[in-house]
Amino acid sequence: GAVVSQHPSWVICKSGTSVKIECRSLDFQATTMFWYRQFPKQSLMLMATSNEGSKATYEQGVEKDKFLINHASLTLSTLTVTSAHPEDSSFYICSARDAEGLAGSQETQYFGPGTRLLVL
Amino acid sequence: AQSVTQLGSHVSVSEGALVLLRCNYSSSVPPYLFWYVQYPNQGLQLLLKYTTGATLVKGINGFEAEFKKSETSFHLTKPSAHMSDAAEYFCAVSDQPYKLSFGAGTTVTVRA
Repeated sequence: GAVVSQHPSWVICKSGTSVKIECRSLDFQATTMFWYRQFPKQSLMLMATSNEGSKATYEQGVEKDKFLINHASLTLSTLTVTSAHPEDSSFYICSARDAEGLAGSQETQYFGPGTRLLVL
Repeated sequence: AQSVTQLGSHVSVSEGALVLLRCNYSSSVPPYLFWYVQYPNQGLQLLLKYTTGATLVKGINGFEAEFKKSETSFHLTKPSAHMSDAAEYFCAVSDQPYKLSFGAGTTVTVRA
């Protein structure tokens, strides 16, 4: 139980274009999802907390107009990197919390497999 | 405020030897503690966690960790390393509302 998927797993785009990454909880409802960014050989940096039906909460230093988050349903959150530039190239990972503990445990974040973005 | 310190960015062990990864935390409230493993180009997989109760926690793949409040530590161990244990390991701490703070990570290599 408690499986999280991400799509796409790899994306290459041209500078200036926008890229959308999907994060889905497959067997539980996730009122809260989290988006992380990971640079090579580094730890995960929390970008934002995505709450179903309300605005995302962004961490300090993260541009909310650059990284648009939509959490329109209990199983889907999307991260859109707008007007992507080479410095946005990174590994983006989402996680979801099984708030009701039906597929996993309430205290645990379950992670997706990640999306590698390369901006040329 | 909470933070996590993982001592040693890289640990190299021989196959069959003890694996010990150190994690110390600071937290203003009783924490939830986690160890995650990450294989190359993949997301994070939960190894084990401490929330309440027994301080010695057993996880998957033969790993275990002990929560020591007096030492603010949550070190991860495995008695006998296997080649498949080569990966990146992250210690994380969480308090309300369930936001995780990660350590810098420890890369484990296993020598044949």
